[in-house]
Amino acid sequence: QAQLAESGGGVVQPGRSLRLSCAASGFTFSSFAMHWVRQAPGKGLEWVAVVWYDGSKKYYADSVRGRFTISRDNSQKTLYLQMNSLRDEDTAVYYCARLSEYSTLYDTYYYLDVWGIGTTVTVSS
Amino acid sequence: EIVLTQSPGTLSSSPGERATLSCRASQSVKNSYLAWYQHKPGQAPRLLIYGASTRAAGIPDRFSGSGSGTDFTLTVSRLAPEDFALYYCQVYDNSRWTFGQGTKVEIK
Repeated sequence: QAQLAESGGGVVQPGRSLRLSCAASGFTFSSFAMHWVRQAPGKGLEWVAVVWYDGSKKYYADSVRGRFTISRDNSQKTLYLQMNSLRDEDTAVYYCARLSEYSTLYDTYYYLDVWGIGTTVTVSS
Repeated sequence: EIVLTQSPGTLSSSPGERATLSCRASQSVKNSYLAWYQHKPGQAPRLLIYGASTRAAGIPDRFSGSGSGTDFTLTVSRLAPEDFALYYCQVYDNSRWTFGQGTKVEIK
């Protein structure tokens, strides 16, 4: 059974850094692109970043580009999110999610089919 | 950048009733890139529908998705007590993934 487990959340002052981890189990981690998605208090889900299965490509939301870095260690089956220059508005529950890709003769389907239960980051002085 | 607008913001319904949730995109999207998720407080989000209309594994058949172009719909034919939750549509476009702001389905 595919599972994801986030860790590394906590309380941090504005301007400081934090690194989140996401441990994968039950599937071939190195075959899947992986995402970070967050939910701020009282808000909806917000996509943060994605890293390709082999780490070759990385994309970010405008709100975090230049401050956050997504990475992965396929040998350790672990996804990371390095968060620098943290702001109040980065306070959220951070989820990691697996991107599944399914192709037919005519189309390619993308969807996030495995999620962790999240880790909470609070940015506060 | 595609913007997804969900309506209504909150839907008050009773168990057994039909629920219809809307997701409108600011520009045309490929059906294969449109998904729906359910999210309950303290839990991991759950994939319901992908490709606009294909139920994910283990999802009850009371959930269905439809639509194309810019207008998509998630329908719950008969609300079960466990269906009261937040629902999000989401689209992939040009190396970005975007969520709608969500619809809360609450018990009337």
